[in-house]
Amino acid sequence: AQKITQTQPGMFVQEKEAVTLDCTYDTSDQSYGLFWYKQPSSGEMIFLIYQGSYDEQNATEGRYSLNFQKARKSANLVISASQLGDSAMYFCAMRESAGNQFYFGTGTSLTVIP
Amino acid sequence: NAGVTQTPKFRILKIGQSMTLQCTQDMNHNYMYWYRQDPGMGLKLIYYSVGAGITDKGEVPNGYNVSRSTTEDFPLRLELAAPSQTSVYFCASRQQGAGPRRPQHFGDGTRLSIL
Repeated sequence: AQKITQTQPGMFVQEKEAVTLDCTYDTSDQSYGLFWYKQPSSGEMIFLIYQGSYDEQNATEGRYSLNFQKARKSANLVISASQLGDSAMYFCAMRESAGNQFYFGTGTSLTVIP
Repeated sequence: NAGVTQTPKFRILKIGQSMTLQCTQDMNHNYMYWYRQDPGMGLKLIYYSVGAGITDKGEVPNGYNVSRSTTEDFPLRLELAAPSQTSVYFCASRQQGAGPRRPQHFGDGTRLSIL
């Protein structure tokens, strides 16, 4: 079974609007971390935001926030006030505390329309 | 503030040639990883290391070898290059400890084509 599932291959959003990128995960561990990375067309991987399984609050970092629903095993990324520079691939990843590996989803390509 | 440095950035190999992709980090991170990213896909783990002298296989290790003689360096070796190894290769590192919250820091990638 896939550890991380991103079901939206591509998304479009109007500039200045908010957009939600979906991520569901599969684990039987109680302690784990969820990460979102941005990959612009230049290719580098940029860490955006982290959510821990025991964190009671949804994570926020500037215009990025995580809609974490533990019972549903989802960790959706919300980007508010989209900018043209947000156009990129976005990857969701997970690491279980008991392990050393990170599991990545297949990514969502976001295009911000002026 | 170098972080994770990968060399070369681009390389074209002929089938059957060998090469080493270099990765070095200056953050004193214990954990290092090698991934490959095929077009339109996510990252697949090739090998990882939890410290000098310790390496372990990931999801797609066939055709690759690694070594970790120092904390800083984690080279990836392709012995007999095959077209299926055409990909973008990323090296990453992370700090040990504090549960699962330490993110990985990535290098800029090596784009490898095998013809």
